[in-house]
Amino acid sequence: EPEVTQTPSHQVTQMGQEVILRCVPISNHLYFYWYRQILGQKVEFLVSFYNNEISEKSEIFDDQFSVERPDGSNFTLKIRSTKLEDSAMYFCASSGATGDGTDTQYFGPGTRLTVL
Amino acid sequence: AQKVTQAQTEISVVEKEDVTLDCVYETRDTTYYLFWYKQPPSGELVFLIRRNSFDEQNEISGRYSWNFQKSTSSFNFTITASQVVDSAVYFCALSEASGTSYDKVIFGPGTSLSVIP
Repeated sequence: EPEVTQTPSHQVTQMGQEVILRCVPISNHLYFYWYRQILGQKVEFLVSFYNNEISEKSEIFDDQFSVERPDGSNFTLKIRSTKLEDSAMYFCASSGATGDGTDTQYFGPGTRLTVL
Repeated sequence: AQKVTQAQTEISVVEKEDVTLDCVYETRDTTYYLFWYKQPPSGELVFLIRRNSFDEQNEISGRYSWNFQKSTSSFNFTITASQVVDSAVYFCALSEASGTSYDKVIFGPGTSLSVIP
């Protein structure tokens, strides 16, 4: 069964460093998302991406964050200068062709980011 | 505004008991989708079910069942004859089909279920 994959599973970085989290969505999906879950809290929407541009972003997704689909398979989240409060589990998700809520989003296993 | 409430923060049951996880949602849209996801201790999010707002039929899948009631804006999840492997955090979630929001999913705060052997 197709699945969303994410690398690395755990990333440790120093405050102020740049990190790139990588995701490979399900191959025929067209809509891509990043979510964040601070330890013990709920999952929060960060950004959605379609047709090589951001469709929607939350207030969490400030200028320190960027997303990119550098090739036909990868979808990345970059945090330019990490802060302690960026420590969280980051989930990538993808969904199918319609993008209007009719397609289920499938989530990757997550990348746990620890900022020291 | 969209909102999902899961009033039960933590539930503990003894194995083989039935347990119901409550979910109440708020939305102004007439077309929307409701979900349940399971997050086991390993951390991944496992999709369990999706319902659209026009389909109020209850659904059963093995030991799992879901009760969707639009009149009370609730989408409750029942596990029958619980097992230790059901121990996880369960998230109820909502997605609006407005056509412009690209179906971001709004999650509830989660209910942590512990099944004791």
